[in-house]
Amino acid sequence: EVQLQESGPGLVKPSQSLSLTCSVTGYSITSNYWGWIRKFPGNKMEWMGYISYSGSTSYNPSLKSRISITRDTSKNQFFLQLNSVTTEDTATYYCARWGEEGSFDYWGQGVMVTVSS
Amino acid sequence: DIQMTQTPSSMPASLGERVTISCRASQGISNYLNWYQQKPDGTIKPLIYYTSNLQSGVPSRFSGSGSGTDYSLTISSLEPEDFAMYYCQQYDSSPPTFGGGTKLELK
Repeated sequence: EVQLQESGPGLVKPSQSLSLTCSVTGYSITSNYWGWIRKFPGNKMEWMGYISYSGSTSYNPSLKSRISITRDTSKNQFFLQLNSVTTEDTATYYCARWGEEGSFDYWGQGVMVTVSS
Repeated sequence: DIQMTQTPSSMPASLGERVTISCRASQGISNYLNWYQQKPDGTIKPLIYYTSNLQSGVPSRFSGSGSGTDYSLTISSLEPEDFAMYYCQQYDSSPPTFGGGTKLELK
């Protein structure tokens, strides 16, 4: 069974970087596309970006200058880095797989990140 | 970006009731529309892909329809586990975007 698990600090100071890890079991990240999505307080959801099976990336233009998604295929993990965070980046962050049928078909349980001094 | 407008934002309903949630895109999205369910504990489950196709394991009381800019999710007879948040998501053009969510609440 495909499983995803996010991990990382729950509190980040303004202007610092947010770094999260998504650990995948049951499926290789060298197949499919792997994304980060966040849900803000108030329920808005935003696709942040993805890393592909080949390691190519695509980012939401709203984040393009601040975001980086990388991976470690030996550990079957991919990572999110978001720079220069503000309180507006407070959200629950999810990692997810983009399935062949064209949807996010497996999700992690989410990790809440608060940006506060 | 394509804007997705979901209505209603909240919906009180009763067990056994038939409910429909609507999702309107700011431009045509050629049926590239998915639905997701988020439970109170935060877990997100895919329900429907490409407008009307049920994900594996999703009960048949869930159905999706639509075309062009207007799409809907229908639950034919509400069960206790269906009271949750529901989101639509388009993937016709990048970036993929989500609706604002509909909270289905027990009346």
